[in-house]
Amino acid sequence: EVQLVESGGGLLQPGGSLRLSCEASGFTFSRYWMHWVRQAPGKGLVWVSRINTDGRSTSYADSVKGRFTISRDNAKNTLYLQMNSLRAEDTAVYHCATNVVVLGPDGFDMWGQGTMVTVSS
Amino acid sequence: QSALTQPPSASGSPGQSVTISCTGTSSDVGGYNYVSWYQQHPGKAPKLMIYEVSKRPSGVPDRFSGSKSGNTASLTVSGLQAEDEADYYCSSYAGSNIVFGTGTKVTVL
Repeated sequence: EVQLVESGGGLLQPGGSLRLSCEASGFTFSRYWMHWVRQAPGKGLVWVSRINTDGRSTSYADSVKGRFTISRDNAKNTLYLQMNSLRAEDTAVYHCATNVVVLGPDGFDMWGQGTMVTVSS
Repeated sequence: QSALTQPPSASGSPGQSVTISCTGTSSDVGGYNYVSWYQQHPGKAPKLMIYEVSKRPSGVPDRFSGSKSGNTASLTVSGLQAEDEADYYCSSYAGSNIVFGTGTKVTVL
């Protein structure tokens, strides 16, 4: 089965750190750019970051630049998001996403169910 | 990296059509033919409905169509059905980044 499964979410205090994981299965993970997208409770989707196939090219939303780091391990079929200096406004469900069938830089046809990150004192 | 602007809500009766707009700038919607639309039901992951402005992934009904004019893209849902009631988000490629819209809640009356 083709799927993405996120893990690593939790409750932590402002200023803390967390690493999210996204395990891919059912497709050749190393061939596809990967993205993180988050959704605060009751709010809309917000793109967070993306990484190219070999991990050498990354991009971030301004709101997380300098605090979050995206990476991947193609041998383990796993995407990561290292989150540092967390703030209350980072509270959200974090989805990993990619486009497997759709070619091009947009159009995410595969999403994970997400992992919840709550930042609160 | 401002969010694309969508109306907060839209509605229609079963069988009618509803059109949702998505307004950006020349740096995103107007600059690339990479606009996508997603449908999201409560508690579920988003589902891709339209990509590259007007293309439908396999399995998406042809009741869903997309278009673009200048800095504004649109999604039209024809022949509304009860299961179309959901939140809809547009997105656009914007150079090295992706930007999403503010979201529109579609209600089937």
